[in-house]
Amino acid sequence: KAGVTQTPRYLIKTRGQQVTLSCSPISGHRSVSWYQQTPGQGLQFLFEYFSETQRNKGNFPGRFSGRQFSNSRSEMNVSTLELGDSALYLCASSKGQAPNSPLHFGNGTRLTVT
Amino acid sequence: GESVGLHLPTLSVQEGDNSIINCAYSNSASDYFIWYKQESGKGPQFIIDIRSNMDKRQGQRVTVLLNKTVKHLSLQIAATQPGDSAVYFCAETLGFQKLVFGTGTRLLVSP
Repeated sequence: KAGVTQTPRYLIKTRGQQVTLSCSPISGHRSVSWYQQTPGQGLQFLFEYFSETQRNKGNFPGRFSGRQFSNSRSEMNVSTLELGDSALYLCASSKGQAPNSPLHFGNGTRLTVT
Repeated sequence: GESVGLHLPTLSVQEGDNSIINCAYSNSASDYFIWYKQESGKGPQFIIDIRSNMDKRQGQRVTVLLNKTVKHLSLQIAATQPGDSAVYFCAETLGFQKLVFGTGTRLLVSP
């Protein structure tokens, strides 16, 4: 069974630009979550989608947004990029029927903002 | 590789030793806890989980202990191998797949 796939693997953007990251969950998984990982703040929850609906959201500014498609694939978008947005962005999927089911992570997209 | 923390606490052990990694969690209402392993260049990998109605759970070479009184979680790895070298995170859930991660511990295993 294929794991969680994130594209692209690396991205370099300039301040003020916007970026879209993509995530394909494990087949049959309907929940997709996004996390930001930085050396200073560690792993922080961005948001979670289940059946195209956002169920939970972290404490990030509105520049960070996401969506989920009917095939469970998800995208996240960051607008008006800032230097501090440089991070590893991780997507995780789960079956999601219960509030707590194990998350399976992809290998992330490394975003560098210059 | 990906930097997951420049000043992580580090546990150094010899191959074959048992390792114990500790974690304090913050929310007494959390009802589900997970340990993840993250190797350089990869995303976190699920190791073992435990629900709050349990105090111990065993997997293959790993045991998780939960002490709700002091909000403490530990991961024990038996017969540690070089391939166990990684950063280990505990996480607690705050509803609908929202995980709150600990800061992580780097495990270094020497042959």
